[in-house]
Amino acid sequence: AQKVTQAQTEISVVEKEDVTLDCVYETRDTTYYLFWYKQPPSGELVFLIRRNSFDEQNEISGRYSWNFQKSTSSFNFTITASQVVDSAVYFCALSERNFGNEKLTFGTGTRLTIIP
Amino acid sequence: DTAVSQTPKYLVTQMGNDKSIKCEQNLGHDTMYWYKQDSKKFLKIMFSYNNKELIINETVPNRFSPKSPDKAHLNLHINSLELGDSAVYFCASSQVQGAVQPQHFGDGTRLSIL
Repeated sequence: AQKVTQAQTEISVVEKEDVTLDCVYETRDTTYYLFWYKQPPSGELVFLIRRNSFDEQNEISGRYSWNFQKSTSSFNFTITASQVVDSAVYFCALSERNFGNEKLTFGTGTRLTIIP
Repeated sequence: DTAVSQTPKYLVTQMGNDKSIKCEQNLGHDTMYWYKQDSKKFLKIMFSYNNKELIINETVPNRFSPKSPDKAHLNLHINSLELGDSAVYFCASSQVQGAVQPQHFGDGTRLSIL
C-alpha cells in the first residue's frame, strides 16, 4: 500500500523568507511517481511537478525547487523568497506504476500562509 | 479554453435527494477520475475510467454511480444524499502512456447537504 505523509499541517512565514514543505512517502514498488499540487484559496488544484523514481536530480523552476531523496523516501519542496501569492495548501502525492490502474494517493496537505 | 470543466460549481440540496455532477475534458485524455475532498482538505480517489471502462472503484457506497458516455465525459450521480456526502468533488483526467502522467483537475463542485 502506498502512503504519503506531510507532517507540517500549517506553516506561516513572513514574505521574502524561504520555506520548505516536507513530504515523506511509502511504497513497495520500485517504479513510482511523485507529484506536488497547489490549492490556492480559490480552490482549484494546480499541478506543479512530477518526478519518477529513477530520477533523483533536484529540480528548480524559478523560486521553486524540489529535493528528491530515495534514501530517506522524501520529496521536499522549497519556495525561495516567498510571496503572498504563494499562500495556499500544498499537496504531495504518489502514484505507483500500475498499467492503467494508476491513482494519486495524496498527503494531508500543508497550509502555507505568507505574511506580508 | 477550460481543460477540465465541471458543472455545477456549487450544489446545495436536501438530504435524501438525488443529484448529478458533470465533467468534461478537452485534452484528449483517455482516463478520467473522481476525487472527494472532505472538510479537512483530505483528497481521496473514488473512481477512475479508462476509455469508458471502470478501472478503479475505491469502496465507494453504491449510492454513487459514475457514468462515462464517451472518453471525454465522466459524470457522477449520487442517490439518496446524506449529510456525510458534503464535500468538494474533483474531476480529473490524464493520459495513460509509458510514464504516469500528471492528472489535470477541474475546479471542483462544492456539494452541501442540508
